[in-house]
Amino acid sequence: QQPVQSPQAVILREGEDAVINCSSSKALYSVHWYRQKHGEAPVFLMILLKGGEQKGHEKISASFNEKKQQSSLYLTASQLSYSGTYFCGTEDMRFGAGTRLTVKP
Amino acid sequence: DVKVTQSSRYLVKRTGEKVFLECVQDMDHENMFWYRQDPGLGLRLIYFSYDVKMKEKGDIPEGYSVSREKKERFSLILESASTNQTSMYLCATKLFTGTGGYNEQFFGPGTRLTVL
Repeated sequence: QQPVQSPQAVILREGEDAVINCSSSKALYSVHWYRQKHGEAPVFLMILLKGGEQKGHEKISASFNEKKQQSSLYLTASQLSYSGTYFCGTEDMRFGAGTRLTVKP
Repeated sequence: DVKVTQSSRYLVKRTGEKVFLECVQDMDHENMFWYRQDPGLGLRLIYFSYDVKMKEKGDIPEGYSVSREKKERFSLILESASTNQTSMYLCATKLFTGTGGYNEQFFGPGTRLTVL
């Protein structure tokens, strides 16, 4: 079953923050995050395995809640290069519908 | 670097034609997948394969079949193409390390198929 992502789209100015959410009706073993730039293949960002886990880089990070049914991707001080469509995926290789992020100068 | 290649970036076919989409990987990954990507629907799993000659249906297998005769190659077949199969098709691979699927997927560049 596909996880549910929100929002469907978000438009930011450079330097603004964004949060993308991913939820499942059942507990997951893991959640994966990918980014797809226009015209390119999706590229892996990170995977979260444990309830309560938070990981990532300084400006792109993610969390996985204790019940392992929700994950959020945090983009801080966004840059133009962050533009693209973000997908969350589950251990059985299902993906959400995606969140299109546009960062404007 | 993992390399996943797909036979065509763009393909135009006629309704009723038999269409073959090829995917080749060079990383000796056991698992291979076919997705279609449509606006607002994200990536939907068509078929996947855990090993040579093995295949499993995904969420939308109707109208498609697959073939995996060699480990590195996974083919998607549209037996009789229809206009509602116009889409972007993405192949992906993943290393298998036991149950749980904790490895990342590597995607090919995609084939944009138009069925007229």
